[in-house]
Amino acid sequence: NAGVMQNPRHLVRRRGQEARLRCSPMKGHSHVYWYRQLPEEGLKFMVYLQKENIIDESGMPKERFSAEFPKEGPSILRIQQVVRGDSAAYFCASSPPGYSYNEQFFGPGTRLTVL
Amino acid sequence: AQKVTQAQTEISVVEKEDVTLDCVYETRDTTYYLFWYKQPPSGELVFLIRRNSFDEQNEISGRYSWNFQKSTSSFNFTITASQVVDSAVYFCALSSQVSQGGSEKLVFGKGTKLTVNP
Repeated sequence: NAGVMQNPRHLVRRRGQEARLRCSPMKGHSHVYWYRQLPEEGLKFMVYLQKENIIDESGMPKERFSAEFPKEGPSILRIQQVVRGDSAAYFCASSPPGYSYNEQFFGPGTRLTVL
Repeated sequence: AQKVTQAQTEISVVEKEDVTLDCVYETRDTTYYLFWYKQPPSGELVFLIRRNSFDEQNEISGRYSWNFQKSTSSFNFTITASQVVDSAVYFCALSSQVSQGGSEKLVFGKGTKLTVNP
């Protein structure tokens, strides 16, 4: 049973370009969380999605960032017009649906470098 | 608001020493979960433990042990007889139990970088 997959693992962009980060949750998981880890910092929550719905985007920057989790396919975190401050590791985590607390399983992360 | 504080930014020990990583949390919720994750130099996040707020029993797993004390809002992590392979950044995290469909986002501390020297 494959774990959470993220691609690409490393992404280099120049300022002003767009970055697209993909996250394929574990089989049977319909909840996806995105976190950002700035250099020398802990992870910070960005957004929580269920299939076709954004549930909590309280951690998303107001501009340039967007996320989706379509009915089919991976979840996408999109950063438009990247700036140097966007350089970070972006982790996604998935969890199964259910009423009780569900553990989040983390992917290996995508390391974004903005030149 | 929820908050996790890991006051120790970096710790350096010599192999076979015991080391304790501190974690203090803040929450107004009565039901919550506490976690520890390990991030080795390769960068991935490795889940170590989850405890819920109603279970204050200490836990031991091999050389790892955790001490959860609600009275002091602490969830400390001890590595006994440390090894070089334990060198990593360790994160403590907090989450609240919410109703179905609610966000169970994790709030992380800034991490403690542990270096175990041979």
